[in-house]
Amino acid sequence: DAGVIQSPRHEVTEMGQEVTLRCKPISGHNSLFWYRQTMMRGLELLIYFNNNVPIDDSGMPEDRFSAKMPNASFSTLKIQPSEPRDSAVYFCASSRRTQGNTIYFGEGSWLTVV
Amino acid sequence: QKEVEQDPGPLSVPEGAIVSLNCTYSNSAFQYFMWYRQYSRKGPELLMYTYSSGNKEDGRFTAQVDKSSKYISLFIRDSQPSDSATYLCAMSAGDDKIIFGKGTRLHILP
Repeated sequence: DAGVIQSPRHEVTEMGQEVTLRCKPISGHNSLFWYRQTMMRGLELLIYFNNNVPIDDSGMPEDRFSAKMPNASFSTLKIQPSEPRDSAVYFCASSRRTQGNTIYFGEGSWLTVV
Repeated sequence: QKEVEQDPGPLSVPEGAIVSLNCTYSNSAFQYFMWYRQYSRKGPELLMYTYSSGNKEDGRFTAQVDKSSKYISLFIRDSQPSDSATYLCAMSAGDDKIIFGKGTRLHILP
């Protein structure tokens, strides 16, 4: 069974540009999470969806960040405009709610904003 | 006070030693406790999962939860160089919101 698939794996962009990160969750999973990881702050939950519906976006840092889940097999996290302080690893994760709180992570998207 | 506290390390131990990793937390509503292992430039992977207080063993790994002290531990017996990674504790109150510690970097010296 394929795991969580994220793209791009690496992105270097200039400040002010739009960045779109993509995620395909594990088939059959109905919860999807976006996390951001930095050395200073560790792994932070940005937003999560249940059955494609955003449930909690309190972790989204500011209005420059937005996330969508148009269907059960695809989600995007968009940053517009990007800033150097957005440089981090962005992880997508998914779970099947009946499995309790076990979530499965993708390999991450490594974002550098210069 | 942060919800979950974890010493970032690094922690260096010789091969074969017993490793003890710990986290403390402040939210008494947490009842699901997890340990994730993260290798360099990879995503975290679930290592251990426990519900409420008590111990759980899986091979060389033992997870302990003491809810009265708000303290969880992960023990690794007969540590191997392949155990070198960052270990993150994680916990949840039963909703989908999982809070992670910052992770402890572990180095097993051959």
